[in-house]
Amino acid sequence: AQSVTQLDSQVPVFEEAPVELRCNYSSSVSVYLFWYVQYPNQGLQLLLKYLSGSTLVKGINGFEAEFNKSQTSFHLRKPSVHISDTAEYFCAVSEGYGGSQGNLIFGKGTKLSVKP
Amino acid sequence: DGGITQSPKYLFRKEGQNVTLSCEQNLNHDAMYWYRQDPGQGLRLIYYSQIVNDFQKGDIAEGYSVSREKKESFPLTVTSAQKNPTAFYLCATTSDTVTYEQYFGPGTRLTVT
Repeated sequence: AQSVTQLDSQVPVFEEAPVELRCNYSSSVSVYLFWYVQYPNQGLQLLLKYLSGSTLVKGINGFEAEFNKSQTSFHLRKPSVHISDTAEYFCAVSEGYGGSQGNLIFGKGTKLSVKP
Repeated sequence: DGGITQSPKYLFRKEGQNVTLSCEQNLNHDAMYWYRQDPGQGLRLIYYSQIVNDFQKGDIAEGYSVSREKKESFPLTVTSAQKNPTAFYLCATTSDTVTYEQYFGPGTRLTVT
């Protein structure tokens, strides 16, 4: 069965430091990959997505992610974080039409805490 | 403005009462979803609907019910059979039947005491 693993439940980091949030997935077919961000008591907002083409994907707020098919990973990175990046981040995968029962499969989330 | 609305933002109920959470969208999206979020558990799918008058159970449908009488609306009823109803509930939609990229509403926090 398809699954998504976010390897770190919490990531503390100091302001202006780089950060990487890790995501691995399991699937035997081609996938579409997403990162969402959730601020406290709000819904999820799309940060970026990989559909096809270049494996390095740029998103909003200076985030980027790299799709690695051989390692089945889609890690999220930012070279310099701000206090305002404090939020929970979710990785999600879809197998597309006919797969995943028409749904996204979500990881359990990584809480990023940026300290001054 | 196009978007997804969930009301109310906060909802309080006594144990044993049924409660209905509202989800309305004006994005003209065919598919709608309900998720439950608990701390450290990520998002768990309750029900989804890909077309009016049709819906399917997700991973944790027990104790919940839905209807899809209109394209714009997908209300979720939390019944008294749901053993632990206190949670944050998120509604989402998609029009993309290739990637299933989803758009989320602001959520409703339900507290049952």
